[in-house]
Amino acid sequence: QSALTQPRSVSGSPGQSVTISCTGTSSDVGGYNSVAWCQQHPGKAPKLMTYDVTKRPSGVPDRFSGSKSGNTASLTISGLQAEDEADYYCCSFAGSYTWVFGGGTKLTVL
Amino acid sequence: QVQLVESGGGVVQPGGSLRLSCAASAFTFSSYGMHWVRQAPGKGLEWVAFIRSDGSNKNYADSVRGRFTISRDTSKNTLYLQMNGLRAEDTAVYYCAQDLLDWGQGTLVTVSS
Repeated sequence: QSALTQPRSVSGSPGQSVTISCTGTSSDVGGYNSVAWCQQHPGKAPKLMTYDVTKRPSGVPDRFSGSKSGNTASLTISGLQAEDEADYYCCSFAGSYTWVFGGGTKLTVL
Repeated sequence: QVQLVESGGGVVQPGGSLRLSCAASAFTFSSYGMHWVRQAPGKGLEWVAFIRSDGSNKNYADSVRGRFTISRDTSKNTLYLQMNGLRAEDTAVYYCAQDLLDWGQGTLVTVSS
């Protein structure tokens, strides 16, 4: 159960696009189409932004999109807005009813 | 509006026990798998435990296996986490989550002498 690997930080200007990567192994990210991304603002509970790699829960803007290639999943945020500044965590099913999170990425909107 | 309300956190000495509860409402509790996820102060999210909708399967992170027990009471729409043999490194905000879709606000557990 090793944590998935995410960049510590990314940044972008309003209106730009940013992509956050999440690298695992064939036992988690690469082995299942069950990758999710959560957003967390300081002092708040996490909020699910995407699940099952590409799906979005109701109410999440389509500016947020997920994808996966091999053992690496990605979250792309287009048309960056100030309120997107937050920590983002990937999470993958890892078999046998276990899950694993990434270490988290701090997104700064310049 | 799905509501998940955690309770039971507090300060406990190393080696002690606590039982966390998560009261669920506004959704069919018996239809969803439930997770406990924790976040140590200033750190990232760590998955702790999962229980299937019918309680038939459950599993744990290596860091808590053998010490923590997840359970659910459908009649009370409540999820539990029994935590025994607590260690300083278990200090964290503990969240319950419905299929990771909806999350509670968390309850703080502090393990300290």
